[in-house]
Amino acid sequence: AQRVTQPEKLLSVFKGAPVELKCNYSYSGSPELFWYVQYSRQRLQLLLRHISRESIKGFTADLNKGETSFHLKKPFAQEEDSAMYYCAPLPYSGGGADGLTFGKGTHLIIQP
Amino acid sequence: DAGVIQSPRHEVTEMGQEVTLRCKPISGHNSLFWYRQTMMRGLELLIYFNNNVPIDDSGMPEDRFSAKMPNASFSTLKIQPSEPRDSAVYFCASSRAGQGFGAFFGQGTRLTVV
Repeated sequence: AQRVTQPEKLLSVFKGAPVELKCNYSYSGSPELFWYVQYSRQRLQLLLRHISRESIKGFTADLNKGETSFHLKKPFAQEEDSAMYYCAPLPYSGGGADGLTFGKGTHLIIQP
Repeated sequence: DAGVIQSPRHEVTEMGQEVTLRCKPISGHNSLFWYRQTMMRGLELLIYFNNNVPIDDSGMPEDRFSAKMPNASFSTLKIQPSEPRDSAVYFCASSRAGQGFGAFFGQGTRLTVV
């Protein structure tokens, strides 16, 4: 099964500063990874999936197989980016559901 | 599609009472996950189903918790009897097999046991 770790529990940056939320994975095969975001008192929402190589709300994330990382980045932070961010693997491995266990997440605070 | 639908949105109950939380997954999704979220423990996976069959319930905290999925469009999480430490936000999520397909979450049920 795929496993991820987010080493930072809290990250505080000033508005306009670059943001990087770290995520490392441990999986010997080809991982499929996602970033989810949870704004205050709301549901978790899928933010990014590595397979689509998209940019959502200015965020990007590149899978680095050499470093086994999938860090979330944004060049200029905005106050509305303040939220909890979770890195998570694909809910499936092989032919069936493998559960979807989230780590503690990273609480991003953007200071004005 | 309206997304994953959970009911009720808020529930306040007295200790010892039975509580039933409901979830309607997205049509066509064949996996369903129940989570509990608290400040202390974060987001905990309680149980998940694949094709209506419970696959892993090792996250269910006690025998007071039970979950069912009688068909592909409905699941319940029941707590009987409820205790104050069960107070949390309970999320349901659904997904389906497929490359690049993540999980979609409901709005959650905020449970308060007094």
